[in-house]
Amino acid sequence: GAGVSQSPSNKVTEKGKDVELRCDPISGHTALYWYRQSLGQGLEFLIYFQGNSAPDKSGLPSDRFSAERTGGSVSTLTIQRTQQEDSAVYLCASSYIGISTANYGYTFGSGTRLTVV
Amino acid sequence: KNQVEQSPQSLIILEGKNCTLQCNYTVSPFSNLRWYKQDTGRGPVSLTIMTFSENTKSNGRYTATLDADTKQSSLHITASQLSDSASYICVVTGLPSGGSYIPTFGRGTSLIVHP
Repeated sequence: GAGVSQSPSNKVTEKGKDVELRCDPISGHTALYWYRQSLGQGLEFLIYFQGNSAPDKSGLPSDRFSAERTGGSVSTLTIQRTQQEDSAVYLCASSYIGISTANYGYTFGSGTRLTVV
Repeated sequence: KNQVEQSPQSLIILEGKNCTLQCNYTVSPFSNLRWYKQDTGRGPVSLTIMTFSENTKSNGRYTATLDADTKQSSLHITASQLSDSASYICVVTGLPSGGSYIPTFGRGTSLIVHP
């Protein structure tokens, strides 16, 4: 596609339920990143994929969070047993390669706004 | 610990005026610095990208400067427009650790342009 597509754009879920957030990166982008942006806060790194593997999962806040990527393309971020503090905008970005050079920037999706009630 | 500090946290200016946003970082060793504009409800969009050898880079009415010695960057907006109202985020990436480049994000400066 022309850009990074995320779905759903908005999700309201009850505390304790599981949610799945989807990211469809730009075709050909090998690197994919998940970030979280809480209200009034900066972007918080969650996980990074190079192809289908995740060399850096250091940002996942707890074991309730997991992510996978298949076929070097679509990625799914899963949050199990959601808590109210999980409410945030979840942003996905992709880039040509895992190396962030001056010539290759990140392209962000519009995000999924998750609200846990 | 790598950190990126932005100031001011928020800024209100009148349409047509200029403004300057600041970014200080502690990321080392340094690879590149980017400024992003994030409109409400949208993902960030890249404005400028600079490596350590670049002192200034322009994108229309946006001009970014970089002083790699003092680890400071600024984003200057000239003749502001109502559409400039957004959050401006400074992102600094260091050299790779373990084979991956992970950027450090500032919290952003919220700019409001009034008519």
